Order: sequence, then C-alpha cells, then structure tokens
Amino acid sequence: DIVMTQSPLSLPVTLGQPASISCRSSQTFVYSDGDTYLIWLHQRPGQSPRRLMFKVSNRDSGVPDRFSGSGSGTDFTLKISRVEAEDVGVYYCMQATHWPHTFGQGTKLEIK
Amino acid sequence: EVQLVESGGGLLQAGGSLRLSCAASGFTFGSSDMSWVRQAPGKGLEAVSVMSGSGDLIYYTDSVKGRFTISRDNSKNTLYLQMNSLRVEDTAVYYCAKDYYVQHWGQGTLVTVSS
Repeated sequence: DIVMTQSPLSLPVTLGQPASISCRSSQTFVYSDGDTYLIWLHQRPGQSPRRLMFKVSNRDSGVPDRFSGSGSGTDFTLKISRVEAEDVGVYYCMQATHWPHTFGQGTKLEIK
Repeated sequence: EVQLVESGGGLLQAGGSLRLSCAASGFTFGSSDMSWVRQAPGKGLEAVSVMSGSGDLIYYTDSVKGRFTISRDNSKNTLYLQMNSLRVEDTAVYYCAKDYYVQHWGQGTLVTVSS
C-alpha cells in the first residue's frame, strides 16, 4: 500500500497569514493515463470532508483561489495564501491512483 | 445539485450484520463510479470499497474482504454496503462518495459495534 505522510500534523496560523501543508508518498503513483491522482480534502469540525483539489493542482468548483496545490513524484504541497477563519479544520491528502486508495493522517489547522 | 444521503447505521453487537444505503441524486448515477469511506471516532479516513458505474469493477480494503459486499441498484440510484461479521474495529462513520476521486460526499451514517 502507498503510505501518505503529512506534515505538520498541527498548524496554528494567524488570520491573514499563509499556510502550507506537505504530503509525501512512499512511492510515485502515476496512472496509466499519465495523471497523478493526488487529492486534497478539508473537513470542518462536525462536517463531512469536502474535496478542494484533484490531480495535484486542479481546484474544485467553488474553492477560493487562495488555495493552491503543487508537487510531483512523491512530494506534494497545499498552500493557503491568506488564512481565513473558515479554513479551520483538518486537511487530508489522498492518493486515488492505486487501490487501496490511501489518506494522510490529517493536518489540523487552527487560528492562533 | 449532487446529493448523497446515507442511511442504515446503528448500534449492534459484534458478529452482527447491517446494510448501509446511499441514495444519490443530481447526477447520472449509473455512469458514476462510487466509493465507501469510513472514519473511526476521532481518527482519519479509510477507503473501504469502490465500485465502477457498471458494477464490473470492485475493490475492498483487506480488513473487510469476505465480510463486506458493495452493490448498487442503478434503477433506484442507490449504492449499498452489506456488512457482515461486524467487529468492534468497524465502528465508524461511513460515507459514500461520488466516483473514485471522492468529488462529493454524503453526511455519513454512524455504525457502532459493541463487544
């Protein structure tokens, strides 16, 4: 199984400041179509997860452009250019190329 | 608008069975691959099973193989997860999600297995 490792696990951020979450995989996961199915999810307290990004850097509809995804190979990053109060919660990376699809442990973002 | 509504969760003893349902609307269900993902209390996410739109491709995570069965009724726009021989460690909120890439999620249904 591909192991997804996130860091940091806890991320206190001041409102308006940037934030960055790293996700590293134990191996590369490029699908036969050439795409890397690296997904970022956000889960607010008490809510279901919501997908933010797919295929590394594609923002889902309705996701603010302060969110950006990057990376390749085994190293991926989610960046928030200016954190807002609604960004609190847990962020997960996920690889959906090879079964079993696997998730990172989650990074809890809180406001300082 | 895509909607996924899970139901069927509950409290039961180890060894019991439960069938979860996921009613889908707002998209062409029969053409869509679907996923079940679970989250144990206070823990992270775990992919449980996926099924292609046609039903001919199915995967299970190792810990549920031989105990859980995913199925779908495209005429009812509904995805199912039959769970047998339940264990305490199966306790979790179970989410259904649209496609393999979890584009949309339901609100989840809680399954609690006691010893």
